[in-house]
Amino acid sequence: ETGVTQSPTHLIKTRGQQVTLRCSSQSGHNTVSWYQQALGQGPQFIFQYYREEENGRGNFPPRFSGLQFPNYSSELNVNALELDDSALYLCASSLQGQNIQYFGAGTRLSVL
Amino acid sequence: GENVEQHPSTLSVQEGDSAVIKCTYSDSASNYFPWYKQELGKRPQLIIDIRSNVGEKKDQRIAVTLNKTAKHFSLHITETQPEDSAVYFCAASGFGNEKLTFGTGTRLTIIP
Repeated sequence: ETGVTQSPTHLIKTRGQQVTLRCSSQSGHNTVSWYQQALGQGPQFIFQYYREEENGRGNFPPRFSGLQFPNYSSELNVNALELDDSALYLCASSLQGQNIQYFGAGTRLSVL
Repeated sequence: GENVEQHPSTLSVQEGDSAVIKCTYSDSASNYFPWYKQELGKRPQLIIDIRSNVGEKKDQRIAVTLNKTAKHFSLHITETQPEDSAVYFCAASGFGNEKLTFGTGTRLTIIP
């Protein structure tokens, strides 16, 4: 059984640029959730994907968007990057209907 | 929406002593309460969870208690060891809704 993997591990972008982060879910899991973790804070829910559709969204603007692919992997896209987008981005996979979520190691995004 | 408060924000205990971290939640519909441990630069790791139909759950040195009436739940770590040093997050989610709402975290330091 493989765990949740994310790429890249670190990323540096400048304000206004766009970024794509990737996540491969744990084997057998069909749901992927994305979280933003600012330094010293708890993770904040961005959105969740199930059956390739968004299945719930937190308080994040539309410039945060995502995709889920038939193999359940997922992407998080952020357009028009702002300095406050600097954070650790975590994805978590789960089986729809079961609460337990397993996290990847995250992508640390720095916006300069 | 759900709001989770966590206390204390930092906690130092002597090795071998017990540590207790407390969380309160606001949404009475929440019914799943996991605890995650996050070491520096690593992924949040699920260490124990509890559902609303159970008042207490134990796994070796770790236990979680839930008081649905008061809407609070606590993590208890006994016989603490240096490897217990980490940031601990509580979280809450509702039935069938896998979005996790996290507390702000507790930095636990075990003093040898």
